[in-house]
Amino acid sequence: DTGVSQDPRHKITKRGQNVTFRCDPISEHNRLYWYRQTLGQGPEFLTYFQNEAQLEKSRLLSDRFSAERPKGSFSTLEIQRTEQGDSAMYLCASSLGPGWDEQFFGPGTRLTVL
Amino acid sequence: AQSVAQPEDQVNVAEGNPLTVKCTYSVSGNPYLFWYVQYPNRGLQFLLKYITGDNLVKGSYGFEAEFNKSQTSFHLKKPSALVSDSALYFCAVRDPNNAGKSTFGDGTTLTVKP
Repeated sequence: DTGVSQDPRHKITKRGQNVTFRCDPISEHNRLYWYRQTLGQGPEFLTYFQNEAQLEKSRLLSDRFSAERPKGSFSTLEIQRTEQGDSAMYLCASSLGPGWDEQFFGPGTRLTVL
Repeated sequence: AQSVAQPEDQVNVAEGNPLTVKCTYSVSGNPYLFWYVQYPNRGLQFLLKYITGDNLVKGSYGFEAEFNKSQTSFHLKKPSALVSDSALYFCAVRDPNNAGKSTFGDGTTLTVKP
């Protein structure tokens, strides 16, 4: 069981640059989720996929954020024109399928925007 | 809209004493409820969940939680705390009618002292 992996683990960028994060879910999991977590808060839902279909997107996700899951396997989260307020931990999770299934979280990607 | 409240930022207990970490929720209809734990420098790990049925659910590491519909609560409990239980605990709720989106509380730091 390789678990959920995320790459990179840390990213430092300058304001205005674009960044892309990758998440590899547990292989047989159909659902994939992205969250953002800042210090002292719980994970905030950003979006989720059922296979390759993006089924919901939070209003927190501005037009600068986009996520994809081609072929229903790995997923990428891109942030364009980064702002200092984007600095956070970006978490990916996956689950087998039904809504009552627990989620398995990756270690996260810590983004720092200078 | 669904929401979760963890009223205590920090809970301190002595090793061997019982512990309770509180969680209240708001959701339309019957909720799916989850507890996750986060150890330093590690990803969130699933502890237990309530979907339906018996109000008392048992999970990993000797933890249990009681679903109370009238009080809209899902408190996490353990009869005898261990120093190794010290961690950050998150409660999460999911609406079965929108089972892709989880809403997390802001977390409670549990410290168990020897």
